[in-house]
Amino acid sequence: ETTLTQSPPFMSATPGDSVTISCRAGRDLDDDVNWYQQKTGEAPVLIVRDATTRVPGIPPRFSGSGYGGDFTLTIYNIESADAAYYFCLQHDNFPLTFGQGTKVEIK
Amino acid sequence: QVQVVQSGAEVKKPGASVKVSCKASGYDFTDYAIHWVRRAPGQWLEWMGWINPDNGKTKFSPKFQGRVSITSDTSASAVFLEVHSLRSEDTALYFCARDAHNSFVQSYGMGVWGQGTSVTVSS
Repeated sequence: ETTLTQSPPFMSATPGDSVTISCRAGRDLDDDVNWYQQKTGEAPVLIVRDATTRVPGIPPRFSGSGYGGDFTLTIYNIESADAAYYFCLQHDNFPLTFGQGTKVEIK
Repeated sequence: QVQVVQSGAEVKKPGASVKVSCKASGYDFTDYAIHWVRRAPGQWLEWMGWINPDNGKTKFSPKFQGRVSITSDTSASAVFLEVHSLRSEDTALYFCARDAHNSFVQSYGMGVWGQGTSVTVSS
Protein backbone atom coordinates (compact mmCIF):
# COMPACT_ATOMS: atom_id res chain seq x y z
CA GLU A 1 0.00 0.00 0.00
CA THR A 2 1.33 3.43 -0.95
CA THR A 3 1.66 5.89 1.92
CA LEU A 4 1.02 9.54 1.17
CA THR A 5 2.42 11.94 3.72
CA GLN A 6 0.63 15.28 3.53
CA SER A 7 1.74 18.41 5.33
CA PRO A 8 0.99 20.58 7.13
CA PRO A 9 -2.15 19.27 8.85
CA PHE A 10 -3.36 22.80 9.50
CA MET A 11 -2.55 26.25 8.24
CA SER A 12 -3.94 29.70 8.82
CA ALA A 13 -3.62 32.31 6.06
CA THR A 14 -4.54 35.94 5.46
CA PRO A 15 -6.42 36.90 2.27
CA GLY A 16 -3.87 37.58 -0.45
CA ASP A 17 -1.32 35.09 0.88
CA SER A 18 0.04 32.19 -1.11
CA VAL A 19 -0.12 28.82 0.61
CA THR A 20 1.57 25.54 -0.26
CA ILE A 21 0.48 22.04 0.69
CA SER A 22 2.81 19.10 0.21
CA CYS A 23 2.08 15.47 -0.52
CA ARG A 24 4.98 13.03 -0.47
CA ALA A 25 4.78 9.44 -1.63
CA GLY A 26 6.75 6.41 -0.58
CA ARG A 27 7.22 5.31 -4.20
CA ASP A 28 7.24 6.67 -7.75
CA LEU A 29 3.69 7.61 -8.76
CA ASP A 30 4.47 9.27 -12.12
CA ASP A 31 1.82 12.02 -12.26
CA ASP A 32 -1.02 9.93 -10.79
CA VAL A 33 -1.98 12.29 -8.01
CA ASN A 34 -5.16 14.33 -7.66
CA TRP A 35 -6.01 17.18 -5.28
CA TYR A 36 -9.44 17.76 -3.74
CA GLN A 37 -11.16 20.52 -1.80
CA GLN A 38 -13.86 19.79 0.73
CA LYS A 39 -15.81 22.54 2.44
CA THR A 40 -17.69 21.87 5.66
CA GLY A 41 -20.87 19.92 5.06
CA GLU A 42 -20.21 19.47 1.34
CA ALA A 43 -18.93 16.70 -0.91
CA PRO A 44 -15.27 16.79 -1.98
CA VAL A 45 -14.52 18.52 -5.28
CA LEU A 46 -11.74 17.53 -7.66
CA ILE A 47 -9.59 20.62 -8.29
CA VAL A 48 -6.36 19.26 -9.82
CA ARG A 49 -5.97 15.93 -11.61
CA ASP A 50 -2.85 14.12 -12.71
CA ALA A 51 -0.62 16.34 -10.59
CA THR A 52 -0.81 19.52 -12.69
CA THR A 53 -4.08 19.72 -14.65
CA ARG A 54 -6.55 22.13 -13.15
CA VAL A 55 -10.15 20.94 -13.61
CA PRO A 56 -12.37 23.19 -15.76
CA GLY A 57 -14.15 25.79 -13.65
CA ILE A 58 -11.48 25.87 -10.94
CA PRO A 59 -9.91 29.33 -10.54
CA PRO A 60 -6.36 29.73 -11.88
CA ARG A 61 -5.09 30.64 -8.40
CA PHE A 62 -5.06 26.88 -7.71
CA SER A 63 -1.92 25.24 -9.10
CA GLY A 64 -0.58 21.72 -8.85
CA SER A 65 3.00 20.66 -9.44
CA GLY A 66 5.27 17.70 -8.99
CA TYR A 67 6.09 14.31 -10.47
CA GLY A 68 7.27 10.99 -9.18
CA GLY A 69 7.29 11.21 -5.41
CA ASP A 70 6.74 14.85 -4.43
CA PHE A 71 3.62 16.86 -5.18
CA THR A 72 2.47 20.33 -4.24
CA LEU A 73 -0.77 22.26 -4.30
CA THR A 74 -0.31 26.02 -4.24
CA ILE A 75 -3.11 28.49 -3.73
CA TYR A 76 -2.08 31.98 -4.86
CA ASN A 77 -3.76 35.13 -3.60
CA ILE A 78 -5.94 33.10 -1.25
CA GLU A 79 -9.54 34.20 -0.66
CA SER A 80 -11.95 33.64 2.20
CA ALA A 81 -13.92 31.25 -0.03
CA ASP A 82 -10.89 28.94 -0.08
CA ALA A 83 -11.30 27.97 3.58
CA ALA A 84 -11.62 24.19 3.37
CA TYR A 85 -10.02 20.82 3.92
CA TYR A 86 -7.63 19.82 1.11
CA PHE A 87 -6.34 16.33 0.44
CA CYS A 88 -4.31 14.42 -2.11
CA LEU A 89 -5.06 11.03 -3.62
CA GLN A 90 -2.80 8.62 -5.48
CA HIS A 91 -4.43 6.61 -8.27
CA ASP A 92 -1.26 4.96 -9.55
CA ASN A 93 -1.89 1.63 -7.87
CA PHE A 94 -4.46 -0.25 -5.82
CA PRO A 95 -5.51 0.23 -3.13
CA LEU A 96 -5.93 3.92 -3.83
CA THR A 97 -4.70 5.95 -0.87
CA PHE A 98 -5.17 9.45 0.48
CA GLY A 99 -3.06 11.98 2.28
CA GLN A 100 -4.08 12.89 5.81
CA GLY A 101 -5.50 16.22 4.71
CA THR A 102 -4.80 19.89 5.42
CA LYS A 103 -7.30 22.22 7.02
CA VAL A 104 -6.87 25.75 5.66
CA GLU A 105 -8.29 28.54 7.76
CA ILE A 106 -8.58 32.12 6.51
CA LYS A 107 -8.04 34.81 9.14
CA GLN B 1 -25.42 17.54 -15.03
CA VAL B 2 -23.49 14.58 -13.64
CA GLN B 3 -24.69 13.65 -10.17
CA VAL B 4 -24.38 10.78 -7.73
CA VAL B 5 -26.91 10.85 -4.91
CA GLN B 6 -26.65 8.62 -1.86
CA SER B 7 -29.23 7.18 0.50
CA GLY B 8 -29.85 8.56 3.95
CA ALA B 9 -28.24 8.06 7.33
CA GLU B 10 -28.27 4.67 9.02
CA VAL B 11 -27.98 3.53 12.63
CA LYS B 12 -27.12 -0.12 13.16
CA LYS B 13 -26.24 -2.45 16.00
CA PRO B 14 -22.91 -4.27 16.16
CA GLY B 15 -22.97 -7.45 14.12
CA ALA B 16 -25.64 -6.22 11.74
CA SER B 17 -25.22 -5.31 8.07
CA VAL B 18 -25.85 -2.02 6.31
CA LYS B 19 -26.58 -1.34 2.65
CA VAL B 20 -25.98 2.13 1.21
CA SER B 21 -27.12 3.12 -2.26
CA CYS B 22 -25.65 5.53 -4.80
CA LYS B 23 -27.81 6.61 -7.73
CA ALA B 24 -26.13 8.14 -10.76
CA SER B 25 -27.57 10.50 -13.34
CA GLY B 26 -26.48 12.81 -16.14
CA TYR B 27 -24.25 10.32 -17.97
CA ASP B 28 -24.18 6.79 -19.34
CA PHE B 29 -24.11 4.75 -16.13
CA THR B 30 -22.14 1.83 -17.55
CA ASP B 31 -19.29 4.00 -18.86
CA TYR B 32 -17.64 4.87 -15.53
CA ALA B 33 -16.49 2.94 -12.49
CA ILE B 34 -17.89 3.86 -9.08
CA HIS B 35 -15.73 4.01 -5.95
CA TRP B 36 -16.63 3.74 -2.28
CA VAL B 37 -14.63 5.70 0.25
CA ARG B 38 -15.14 6.28 3.95
CA ARG B 39 -13.96 8.66 6.63
CA ALA B 40 -14.24 7.62 10.25
CA PRO B 41 -14.18 10.24 13.03
CA GLY B 42 -10.65 11.46 13.61
CA GLN B 43 -9.31 9.48 10.66
CA TRP B 44 -8.54 10.34 7.10
CA LEU B 45 -10.17 8.96 4.00
CA GLU B 46 -9.98 5.25 3.18
CA TRP B 47 -10.62 3.75 -0.23
CA MET B 48 -12.83 0.67 0.15
CA GLY B 49 -13.29 -0.59 -3.38
CA TRP B 50 -14.74 0.02 -6.82
CA ILE B 51 -17.08 -1.58 -9.34
CA ASN B 52 -17.44 -1.69 -13.09
CA PRO B 53 -21.22 -1.16 -13.25
CA ASP B 54 -21.44 -2.78 -16.67
CA ASN B 55 -20.18 -6.24 -15.76
CA GLY B 56 -20.19 -6.08 -11.97
CA LYS B 57 -16.47 -6.71 -11.60
CA THR B 58 -15.11 -5.36 -8.35
CA LYS B 59 -11.81 -4.70 -6.65
CA PHE B 60 -11.42 -4.14 -2.91
CA SER B 61 -8.86 -2.80 -0.51
CA PRO B 62 -7.34 -5.76 1.40
CA LYS B 63 -8.63 -4.16 4.60
CA PHE B 64 -12.25 -4.62 3.47
CA GLN B 65 -11.99 -7.73 1.32
CA GLY B 66 -14.45 -10.36 2.51
CA ARG B 67 -16.53 -8.06 4.73
CA VAL B 68 -17.78 -5.65 2.10
CA SER B 69 -19.71 -6.21 -1.10
CA ILE B 70 -20.36 -3.78 -3.95
CA THR B 71 -23.07 -4.44 -6.50
CA SER B 72 -24.75 -2.56 -9.31
CA ASP B 73 -28.24 -2.40 -10.82
CA THR B 74 -27.99 -1.01 -14.34
CA SER B 75 -31.79 -0.71 -14.67
CA ALA B 76 -31.77 1.74 -11.75
CA SER B 77 -28.38 3.35 -12.52
CA ALA B 78 -27.45 2.54 -8.95
CA VAL B 79 -24.54 1.04 -7.06
CA PHE B 80 -24.79 -0.47 -3.60
CA LEU B 81 -22.28 -0.88 -0.79
CA GLU B 82 -22.99 -3.49 1.85
CA VAL B 83 -20.87 -3.80 4.98
CA HIS B 84 -21.34 -6.95 7.05
CA SER B 85 -20.57 -7.78 10.67
CA LEU B 86 -20.57 -4.14 11.66
CA ARG B 87 -18.45 -2.97 14.57
CA SER B 88 -18.12 0.39 16.25
CA GLU B 89 -15.03 1.20 14.16
CA ASP B 90 -17.27 1.17 11.07
CA THR B 91 -18.99 4.32 12.28
CA ALA B 92 -18.10 6.72 9.48
CA LEU B 93 -19.25 8.91 6.64
CA TYR B 94 -19.40 6.79 3.49
CA PHE B 95 -19.01 8.34 0.05
CA CYS B 96 -19.55 7.01 -3.42
CA ALA B 97 -17.79 8.73 -6.31
CA ARG B 98 -17.62 8.31 -10.07
CA ASP B 99 -14.16 7.76 -11.47
CA ALA B 100 -12.63 10.77 -13.19
CA HIS B 101 -12.24 8.92 -16.49
CA ASN B 102 -14.17 6.25 -18.38
CA SER B 103 -11.59 3.51 -18.05
CA PHE B 104 -11.76 0.25 -16.17
CA VAL B 105 -8.13 -0.68 -16.79
CA GLN B 106 -6.85 1.80 -14.25
CA SER B 107 -8.37 4.41 -12.01
CA TYR B 108 -7.99 8.13 -12.56
CA GLY B 109 -9.22 8.89 -9.09
CA MET B 110 -12.58 10.17 -7.98
CA GLY B 111 -14.30 12.73 -10.16
CA VAL B 112 -17.83 13.51 -8.98
CA TRP B 113 -18.63 12.62 -5.37
CA GLY B 114 -21.89 11.87 -3.62
CA GLN B 115 -22.99 13.85 -0.60
CA GLY B 116 -22.00 11.15 1.89
CA THR B 117 -24.03 8.76 4.05
CA SER B 118 -23.55 8.66 7.80
CA VAL B 119 -23.45 5.17 9.28
CA THR B 120 -23.46 4.87 13.06
CA VAL B 121 -22.81 1.54 14.75
CA SER B 122 -23.93 1.54 18.33
CA SER B 123 -25.50 -0.86 20.77
